[in-house]
Amino acid sequence: DAMVIQNPRYQVTQFGKPVTLSCSQTLNHNVMYWYQQKSSQAPKLLFHYYDKDFNNEADTPDNFQSRRPNTSFCFLDIRSPGLGDAAMYLCATSRDMSLAGEHIQYFGAGTRLSVL
Amino acid sequence: SQQGEEDPQALSIQEGENATMNCSYKTSINNLQWYRQNSGRGLVHLILIRSNEREKHSGRLRVTLDTSKKSSSLLITASRAADTASYFCATPSTGRRALTFGSGTRLQVQP
Repeated sequence: DAMVIQNPRYQVTQFGKPVTLSCSQTLNHNVMYWYQQKSSQAPKLLFHYYDKDFNNEADTPDNFQSRRPNTSFCFLDIRSPGLGDAAMYLCATSRDMSLAGEHIQYFGAGTRLSVL
Repeated sequence: SQQGEEDPQALSIQEGENATMNCSYKTSINNLQWYRQNSGRGLVHLILIRSNEREKHSGRLRVTLDTSKKSSSLLITASRAADTASYFCATPSTGRRALTFGSGTRLQVQP
């Protein structure tokens, strides 16, 4: 009954070779998030979509892009992965209509990216 | 710097003991959440406490919130080996539909 599904679970890419990670959800939530998490650190928000509205974090490198073709799917594109981009990438969703609301987030199992 | 800082960074206890983790934050909030993350997995929401609540229970979890001190604690009673995980507090990011996660506490429960 997985509700937020990330594929693949493990991804190996070469330095500079574009890679796409995918996330799908069955919760019909209107907000979807992408986080980067390095070992023993807190998840770091890269960007999020509120419906089709894209919200980029100020310190997210240009190398990271995202697409949300419909409510259920969201993709993370890394245009030219560097060694420093090796990390766990987490997708999450939430259903909230207000800025001041309670953003309970539902996470996928993550994709661990290795860059060779 | 992070909105949420947690301490301790790591905690090792024996099965059956209680585990207490603390979180401090900087800005005014209307709620605070705790999440758990098993090694190599995504985060799982545990509990949400609102700013007008001082304490909340869920099973073996007890969360307190002190808005005057801008701090929260998570107590896990009668811990089990299966409680081994990292625990993160999270607060709403100002003006955005997003959360800011604390630095996390890595809990190891020895059987």
